Amino acid sequence: QVQLVQSGAEVKKPGASVKVSCKTSGYTFTDYYMHWVRQAPGHGLEWMGRINPNTGDANYAQKFQGRVTMTRVTSITTAYMELSSLRSDDTAVYYCARDLHWADNWFDPWGQGTLVTVSS
Amino acid sequence: ENVLTQSPATLSLSPGQRATLSCRASQSVSTYLAWYQQKPGQAPRLLIFDASNRASGIPARFSGSGSGTDFTLTISSLEPEDFAVYYCQQRNKWPLTFGGGTKVEIK
Repeated sequence: QVQLVQSGAEVKKPGASVKVSCKTSGYTFTDYYMHWVRQAPGHGLEWMGRINPNTGDANYAQKFQGRVTMTRVTSITTAYMELSSLRSDDTAVYYCARDLHWADNWFDPWGQGTLVTVSS
Repeated sequence: ENVLTQSPATLSLSPGQRATLSCRASQSVSTYLAWYQQKPGQAPRLLIFDASNRASGIPARFSGSGSGTDFTLTISSLEPEDFAVYYCQQRNKWPLTFGGGTKVEIK
């Protein structure tokens, strides 16, 4: 079955960077875009961007342009999201989520989430 | 960006009752709208895509309708496991956006 398994919780200081991984299995990694979505505590969902695992090309939400980098390593079927210049309001659960079908921008399935806490 | 407004914020119902959730877009999204369910401590789960298509494994009591700017998610008869938060999401325009959510709670 399709599985997305994310790396563990992180605690970072303001100004630092964090890199979250999303290890996939059960499907052909290069056949589906991968998205990243975050959720601040007690808040709703916010789309950050997506990566084409074939080419490595990424599209980012304007809000995160310049601070986020999405990458992948196809040999280990893993996607990564790195967020820099962290602030306290970046404290959130970060999810990876696969396209339902190629480039359709519906999210299914999702990883279990990675809590990133930004605190001095 | 296309703002999605969900109403009501909270819906208090009993098991067996019908739930009707609304999602309104600030600009037309055609039928490019999805619904997700999220339970506490869990990742969201896709329920409906393209406004009215149920995702794999989703029970028939969940149905979606609408087009343009007004959409509805209906749960025909609430089961205990349906009490959760529901989000709509559009893919018609960048950036992809979500609504603020509707919490369906037990009355």
